[in-house]
Amino acid sequence: QQQVKQSPQSLIVQKGGISIINCAYENTAFDYFPWYQQFPGKGPALLIAIRPDVSEKKEGRFTISFNKSAKQFSLHIMDSQPGDSATYFCAAGDDKIIFGKGTRLHILP
Amino acid sequence: DVKVTQSSRYLVKRTGEKVFLECVQDMDHENMFWYRQDPGLGLRLIYFSYDVKMKEKGDIPEGYSVSREKKERFSLILESASTNQTSMYLCASSLLSRVTGELFFGEGSRLTVL
Repeated sequence: QQQVKQSPQSLIVQKGGISIINCAYENTAFDYFPWYQQFPGKGPALLIAIRPDVSEKKEGRFTISFNKSAKQFSLHIMDSQPGDSATYFCAAGDDKIIFGKGTRLHILP
Repeated sequence: DVKVTQSSRYLVKRTGEKVFLECVQDMDHENMFWYRQDPGLGLRLIYFSYDVKMKEKGDIPEGYSVSREKKERFSLILESASTNQTSMYLCASSLLSRVTGELFFGEGSRLTVL
């Protein structure tokens, strides 16, 4: 079974710091790499996504860095805020999306 | 805004009962999905559907079936519920003809099987 490996499982960051979550995939056919954010009691919602033809995508404080040769991608949250405290899922796929196991992020006020 | 509505937020069922989880989306999306979410395991795809009357197995289809009689409605069926099916179930829909488009999730149905 194709896997997407996500780390760390949990992360605590001080307010204003940088939160970094990493993912690795196996299938070189994957051509879509989204990140989803989930707050307690809610379903996941798309945060940001990247295609493999670019190495970085930035939307506000959120940046995806993509390394095709290493088959790795990461989410960087700059100036992390308490409102960013949530569970984050990376995912990858072509015809089917496979999710990582999630990272529970807590931003200390 | 796209809305994906799961009719039951919380259910408690007995082992062996037949369970129906209903999902309705209001944006005329072609694709619909059922995932289960368990702590430490992430989201795992149970079944998906690209069109009415059509269904495809995901990664963990055992013990589940689905029904899509209308475009907007996708039902997950547990024919005989077991305790290992206690979980959070998430329905999602997407617009694009392939899966690699934004997934819109419902708020989930938390099922407890006693």
